[in-house]
Amino acid sequence: GAVVSQHPSRVICKSGTSVKIECRSLDFQATTMFWYRQFPKQSLMLMATSNEGSKATYEQGVEKDKFLINHASLTLSTLTVTSAHPEDSSFYICSALDRGRPGTGELFFGEGSRLTVL
Amino acid sequence: DAKTTQPPSMDCAEGRAANLPCNHSTISGNEYVYWYRQIHSQGPQYIIHSLKNNETNEMASLIITEDRKSSTLILPHATLRDTAVYYCIVRSAGSSNTGKLIFGQGTTLQVKP
Repeated sequence: GAVVSQHPSRVICKSGTSVKIECRSLDFQATTMFWYRQFPKQSLMLMATSNEGSKATYEQGVEKDKFLINHASLTLSTLTVTSAHPEDSSFYICSALDRGRPGTGELFFGEGSRLTVL
Repeated sequence: DAKTTQPPSMDCAEGRAANLPCNHSTISGNEYVYWYRQIHSQGPQYIIHSLKNNETNEMASLIITEDRKSSTLILPHATLRDTAVYYCIVRSAGSSNTGKLIFGQGTTLQVKP
């Protein structure tokens, strides 16, 4: 099946620094990728839709200047958490739509990236 | 997209069938039923989906009632590795094209030895 890879899987940073998380589709082209955030014992919350070659679409309540998304190629989207604070500590998960499977809408998820801000 | 209702948790004995229910009483004609699961500290994994027909694959079976207002995911022989949070998601054909998935709280399935 289609594979989506995230890097890094775990990252610890100091408060005030910026952290970049990469999301790659390994065996298909993804014009659309999604970024989710998940706090402990909670469900996934959609943060934004990343579109290749255009600006990301953010969900209500998500600060676009705080969470910078870049989707510069058909296989790579990045999420940068700027000026991270302890409350940004979370599990960040990306997903990509494999348009090579028309009609199914199958969404493939990365392994997730656990961010801890000290 | 239609909302879904799932029990927060369920237990199942190892080797027995796990039947996970989902109510989606406000589902409309062009909305699909999707099931994903999330094993602890991993990304969600696609299980199965259907518009209205019952479906079976190597992982599970999906049974949708005739009125499409509810469905059941069946894991025929649950193993300890099936312990996870199972999400039932209803999504329109339009949303299927965009890929957007909105997750509810899901059902935590605990498979016990």
